[in-house]
Amino acid sequence: SAVISQKPSRDICQRGTSLTIQCQVDSQVTMMFWYRQQPGQSLTLIATANQGSEATYESGFVIDKFPISRPNLTFSTLTVSNMSPEDSSIYLCSVVVGDTGELFFGEGSRLTVL
Amino acid sequence: SQQGEEDPQALSIQEGENATMNCSYKTSINNLQWYRQNSGRGLVHLILIRSNEREKHSGRLRVTLDTSKKSSSLLITASRAADTASYFCATGGFKTIFGAGTRLFVKA
Repeated sequence: SAVISQKPSRDICQRGTSLTIQCQVDSQVTMMFWYRQQPGQSLTLIATANQGSEATYESGFVIDKFPISRPNLTFSTLTVSNMSPEDSSIYLCSVVVGDTGELFFGEGSRLTVL
Repeated sequence: SQQGEEDPQALSIQEGENATMNCSYKTSINNLQWYRQNSGRGLVHLILIRSNEREKHSGRLRVTLDTSKKSSSLLITASRAADTASYFCATGGFKTIFGAGTRLFVKA
């Protein structure tokens, strides 16, 4: 298993600003993912955070809008840049531990953009 | 894009009743997983069923998988008010893709 800490847990942001979300895992993991969950919706994969190289983004998500860092095997950040109200969502960090494909999630960061 | 489609979208039952949620998916899978989310918080893994399994149990949970129909179901027996949550199916692999989810409300 894995214990994941995400910060901040929630924030209210002004339009046009940027916010960085941190994800800390209590063990070294290879696979780390960032998801977005818009209000009342399911989870959508933003990107896979790769240690030592650029993140791999899913269709519809770009690095300029969602820059990701992965400096080591226990930590990652996701920045939501130049925010608009449409970015109001829960952002979730998750990791895979072991070979089952089971995901462990942080508690999420709930962003509200005014 | 979302892999799984779930129905119903919402389900309201009385405590003690059984709750059944269904999930359909589009592509071949290695396994299918079910997750639970309480009130917009992080997801918790409930159960994983591999593509060569047809049924799996865990406590009050029973999951079935029909790969010929590309569908799965999650049954929660003897539901409790604390089971009120959103339930998502997800197809495993390199990138896990989540279904739309079912919102379950269990009335005490």
